[in-house]
Order: sequence, then C-alpha cells, then structure tokens
Amino acid sequence: GAGVSQSPSNKVTEKGKDVELRCDPISGHTALYWYRQSLGQGLEFLIYFQGNSAPDKSGLPSDRFSAERTGGSVSTLTIQRTQQEDSAVYLCASSLEYSGSNEQFFGPGTRLTVL
Amino acid sequence: AQSVTQLGSHVSVSEGALVLLRCNYSSSVPPYLFWYVQYPNQGLQLLLKYTTGATLVKGINGFEAEFKKSETSFHLTKPSAHMSDAAEYFCAVAQGWGKLIFGQGTELSVKP
Repeated sequence: GAGVSQSPSNKVTEKGKDVELRCDPISGHTALYWYRQSLGQGLEFLIYFQGNSAPDKSGLPSDRFSAERTGGSVSTLTIQRTQQEDSAVYLCASSLEYSGSNEQFFGPGTRLTVL
Repeated sequence: AQSVTQLGSHVSVSEGALVLLRCNYSSSVPPYLFWYVQYPNQGLQLLLKYTTGATLVKGINGFEAEFKKSETSFHLTKPSAHMSDAAEYFCAVAQGWGKLIFGQGTELSVKP
C-alpha cells in the first residue's frame, strides 16, 4: 500500500510568514510523529499523536509551532511568524500504535527554507 | 533520559570491505534500539531493530547489529560494502512509548 506522504516537498517562505506542512500517514496507523532534521541539531522529535489521546508536545521548540490531527488521520504542522532558524527538513512518521518497539515509517519530508 | 552517540560523522570504506558503524546508547531501562538509513533526498528507512530476545539482529541489505548491554553498544556491521550502501545512517533509541531519540548520524562513503 501507499507509504507516508508529505506536502509540499519544498517550501520557500519569507521571514515572518506562516506556513502549513501536511502529513498523510499510512492507513490504519494510529500513531503519528513529527521530527525536524537540521544541520546544526540533527534529527529532533517535535510532537506525536496517538489515537484520541492528548498529543505529546514536549519537543516543540516554541509556541510558534503547533500541530493538529484531524479525524485520526491527516496531520498539519503549522509554524507561525517563521524565523530563519526554522529552516530544516520536517519529517513525518507513522506506526501501527504508540509503542517503543514498533517501526516508524517515515515520509520523504518537507524542506522548508526561510529567507 | 535516553541518549545516543554515534562515533564518527563520516566513515569511508572500499567496496568489498567490512562496514562498521558505531553506536552507544544511554538508557535507564531496557532499550529498544533501531538503525535507520537515509538516502539522498529521501526519508528514513528501517534497517533493523532490537526489542527483546536474540542480541544479534539481522536486517535488510545484509546489515546486522549486536546489542551488547555490558558495553551499552549497538554497532552496525556489513561484511562486504557495496556502492549502493553509500548513505547516511542513524542509530536511535525509543524513549517512553515510542518517540525516537537519534544519534547525530554517520555518513558512509564507499570507494570503488
């Protein structure tokens, strides 16, 4: 079946603008994760969703970052008032359930460039 | 809190030579450990994982890793490198119920 998809694949924006990044997980996967990959910080966890439970937002770097997951499927990561340090590749992953032993399947990422 | 250290940000081997990528972890509980590979402009793909049971884990593309609790290590090996193995490799430990803590990554180059 189809893997995790993300859109757009590339996004260039100006400092101060808001951006929305979309993730479509694998059908039937109840757990969804967002990570950020940047040169300086490597791969960092941002947020996860598990079913109808409250999301774990512990990795969000500031209150400019937010995410939602509608209907237990598609997720949107929103960055308000973007800054140059937000430039990175944003990766989405999904797994069958929220469990430490489960494989996470990653999407191809959205490359965000803030000018 | 868990953490992962990958020794060597760049490793270069000749085609046909042994590949050894080092990973050490820190965890206060029995860890779930993973190796992921990332090819240029692609997402991460699981190579192998250790959860419980046999400490020598075999993965895709001829890779394997051994969990050594006494050394807190989970090194990745492949007996004979192929040009197509050139990529970036990430070791990770699962924290709590599933979020992954990644090492800084090791870029593997394979020389003909």
